[in-house]
Amino acid sequence: EVQLVESGGGLVKPGGSLRLSCAASGFTFSSYSMNWVRQAPGKGLEWVSSISSSSSYIYYADSVKGRFTISRDNAKNSLYLQMNSLRAEDTAVYYCARDRVGADYWYFDLWGRGTLVTVSS
Amino acid sequence: QTVVTQEPSFSVSPGGTVTLTCGLSSGSVSTSYYPSWYQQTPGQAPRTLIYSTNTRSSGVPDRFSGSILGNKAALTITGAQADDESAYYCVLYMGSGIWVFGGGTKLTVL
Repeated sequence: EVQLVESGGGLVKPGGSLRLSCAASGFTFSSYSMNWVRQAPGKGLEWVSSISSSSSYIYYADSVKGRFTISRDNAKNSLYLQMNSLRAEDTAVYYCARDRVGADYWYFDLWGRGTLVTVSS
Repeated sequence: QTVVTQEPSFSVSPGGTVTLTCGLSSGSVSTSYYPSWYQQTPGQAPRTLIYSTNTRSSGVPDRFSGSILGNKAALTITGAQADDESAYYCVLYMGSGIWVFGGGTKLTVL
């Protein structure tokens, strides 16, 4: 089955760190760029970061730049998000999403179910 | 920073037609922004509906359609059904690897 499964969420204190993982299965993970998208409680979706298939290109939203690091291990079919210096406003469900890119299309075609990160003292 | 705008809420009668829009705080949306649309019900992951302005994702009913209307991307639901009651999000590619979601539209079917 083609799927993405996030893990690693939990409760962390402000200023703390957390590492999220996203396990991919059912497709050739190394052929796709990947993304993290988050959703604060009761709020909309926010794109966080993306990484190309070979990790050559990495991008971040301004809201997390310098604090979060995206990475991947194609041998383990896994995507990661290292989150440091966490703030209350980082509280959200974090989704991993697959990029689908073609000659005239580019979008997020596969989503995980998400993992909840709560930043609170 | 450019903001992607969506109507916060919309209401449609069962069987009716509704058009949700996705605009920019500055400028016009075009196909080069690769507009796509996602449906989300509470507690669930987003579901891809429309990509590249007007292409339906696999399994999406043909009552959902996408277009460019004026200076905005648009999602039209024709013959709305009760289970279309959801939040709808658009996202635009801003260049330099950056994507920006709209704030979402909560659609009520009643």
